[in-house]
Amino acid sequence: ETGVTQTPRHLVMGMTNKKSLKCEQHLGHNAMYWYKQSAKKPLELMFVYSLEERVENNSVPSRFSPECPNSSHLFLHLHTLQPEDSALYLCASSQEGGPSNYGYTFGSGTRLTVV
Amino acid sequence: DQQVKQNSPSLSVQEGRISILNCDYTNSMFDYFLWYKKYPAEGPTFLISISSIKDKNEDGRFTVFLNKSAKHLSLHIVPSQPGDSAVYFCAASANSNYQLIWGAGTKLIIKP
Repeated sequence: ETGVTQTPRHLVMGMTNKKSLKCEQHLGHNAMYWYKQSAKKPLELMFVYSLEERVENNSVPSRFSPECPNSSHLFLHLHTLQPEDSALYLCASSQEGGPSNYGYTFGSGTRLTVV
Repeated sequence: DQQVKQNSPSLSVQEGRISILNCDYTNSMFDYFLWYKKYPAEGPTFLISISSIKDKNEDGRFTVFLNKSAKHLSLHIVPSQPGDSAVYFCAASANSNYQLIWGAGTKLIIKP
C-alpha cells in the first residue's frame, strides 16, 4: 500500500457511542494531521503531530481525542459526539517542517454521520 | 473572519477553453500558496504551489499567478479537460508553519 490510507471510509454512530478513526501513511513522512471538512466550509485543521508529538490543537472539543503511536499511524478517538460533528474527516501527512516544501498528502477521508 | 476567500462557489467552462479560479487573502504574512484538487469521495490532491518571492509558476496546463499587492492569486487551466471537473481549494501558510489556511473551494464543471 502506498500513500495515506484512512479507515473506515464511512461511519455512522450514535451520540453515546465510542469509535476510532485510523490513518496510516507509507510515505516516510514525519508529520501527520487531522482535518475536518464540513459542507461548503473551508477545511478546518484539528490536530498536528510532528515526530509523534502534538504541536497543534486548534481548540478542538475534548470529545475528539487524537493519538499518534508512531510516525506512520494516527488515530482520532470519538466519544459522545453531537450531530453537528457529522463531516468528512481527512488525515494528511507531510515532511517535518510543514506543508510548504512538499504539500500535504491526504487520505480519502472518513465520512462520519452522528445520529 | 476568513483569511482565504474563494468567492465563486462554482464555475462552468467549455471543454478546451481556459478555466480561471480565483483566490483572495487578507494576511500579508502569508508566504506560500497552494492549490489542491478534490474529487468526490477522495481526499484533496496537491496540484501546484507558489512562493511569495515569485509571481508565476507553471506546470503543464496549470499556471498559478500571484499578485501580492492585490493579495490575489489565480489558477489558470488551459486547455480545460473533462477530468478537470472537481473542487479546487486554495490554501496559504505563513513562515512555513503547519497551519495551512484554506478557502472554501470552487467547484469547476467542464462542459463537453
